[in-house]
Amino acid sequence: EVQLVESGGGLVQPGGSLRLSCAASGFSFSSDYMSWVRQAPGKGLEWISVIYSGGSTYYPDSVKGRFTISGDNSKNTLYLQLNSLRREDTALYYCTKGAAMDVWGQGTTVTVSS
Amino acid sequence: DIQMTQSPSSVSASVGDRVTITCRASQDINSWLAWYQQKPGKAPKLLIYAASSLQSGVPSRFSGRRSGTDFTLTISSLQPEDFATYYCQQANSFPWTFGQGTRVDIK
Repeated sequence: EVQLVESGGGLVQPGGSLRLSCAASGFSFSSDYMSWVRQAPGKGLEWISVIYSGGSTYYPDSVKGRFTISGDNSKNTLYLQLNSLRREDTALYYCTKGAAMDVWGQGTTVTVSS
Repeated sequence: DIQMTQSPSSVSASVGDRVTITCRASQDINSWLAWYQQKPGKAPKLLIYAASSLQSGVPSRFSGRRSGTDFTLTISSLQPEDFATYYCQQANSFPWTFGQGTRVDIK
């Protein structure tokens, strides 16, 4: 079964850091686009990063320079390093597979608050 | 960045109604458009990809169409399980972007 399981969320102070993980099973994540998408409470979906073609990455301006996506092929695990966190980064963070995102994890919650 | 403008933002409908949601791209995205359904407390689910291709396992009452930079998602006969929020998403160029969502609720 193709599955994504996120972990690593939590409560962090403004300016702090966190690393999210996404364990993939049932497929090799290096063979497809892998993204992180977030959803602030009561709000819509926001795409925030992608890794593809063996290591190419892209970010929107809202997180560029603060967030870093990476992957460990040996563990079939995707990561998102979140630095310089702001209150507006509070959200449920999903990892997804594909340009048309056909597989989603259950999400992991990041709360940025003092 | 490509802006995706969805309309309406919400729609009230009854079981059996035909519902159409529109997504307009601010520039040409070819057919690189997907539609998702999200129910409260759940992750989004892919319904349509490449503007008009039905994802495996999705009921045939869902369909997608492209006309230039306008895209539509149609539910031909609304079922109780279809009350949810729907999003479009373009994957033609980075940054990928979502529409703001359309909530379909019970009339």
